[in-house]
Amino acid sequence: NAGVTQTPKFQVLKTGQSMTLQCAQDMNHEYMSWYRQDPGMGLRLIHYSVGAGITDQGEVPNGYNVSRSTTEDFPLRLLSAAPSQTSVYFCASSYSTGGETQYFGPGTRLLVL
Amino acid sequence: RKEVEQDPGPFNVPEGATVAFNCTYSNSASQSFFWYRQDCRKEPKLLMSVYSSGNEDGRFTAQLNRASQYISLLIRDSKLSDSATYLCVVNRGGYALNFGKGTSLLVTP
Repeated sequence: NAGVTQTPKFQVLKTGQSMTLQCAQDMNHEYMSWYRQDPGMGLRLIHYSVGAGITDQGEVPNGYNVSRSTTEDFPLRLLSAAPSQTSVYFCASSYSTGGETQYFGPGTRLLVL
Repeated sequence: RKEVEQDPGPFNVPEGATVAFNCTYSNSASQSFFWYRQDCRKEPKLLMSVYSSGNEDGRFTAQLNRASQYISLLIRDSKLSDSATYLCVVNRGGYALNFGKGTSLLVTP
């Protein structure tokens, strides 16, 4: 099993550009989520999904969109990038709710100029 | 008050030492508790869950004190490979995991 994969590993954007961060898992997990991690901050939940077709907002959803058309994939879209979105983004999945072990992808490092 | 608070450290300890980290949480309704480990520039990985009765995994011991709302992690016989950031994680129920900012540990020869 590949586990949780994320692409790209690194990305540089200009302010106002849009992009999609990809996340996929091959463990047949129902629950997937996106976090961002900034220096001096804990991981903060952006959006999560409890199954295909179901998504909800986390703690810091503004400026991001998600969709979940399949169990495997959970892309995160930045609509109009801002320097404040410079961060490391982690995708995670688990079998059911957040009370289970969460498996994290390797992260995407994003720099917005 | 932050939901999950940890001393950021860094904790610098020599190999073989015993080191303990504490974490406090603010929501008394919290249901699940974990310690995750994060190596530099890597993803977090589950180290161990924390149970009310306390639990041990090799050199690592985790304890939960619900009355005082704190969680601890004890590492015995520290190894160089234990150098990492340790994240305290609390689930208050449902889908929301709350992460502490992490405690940095550096084990020196």
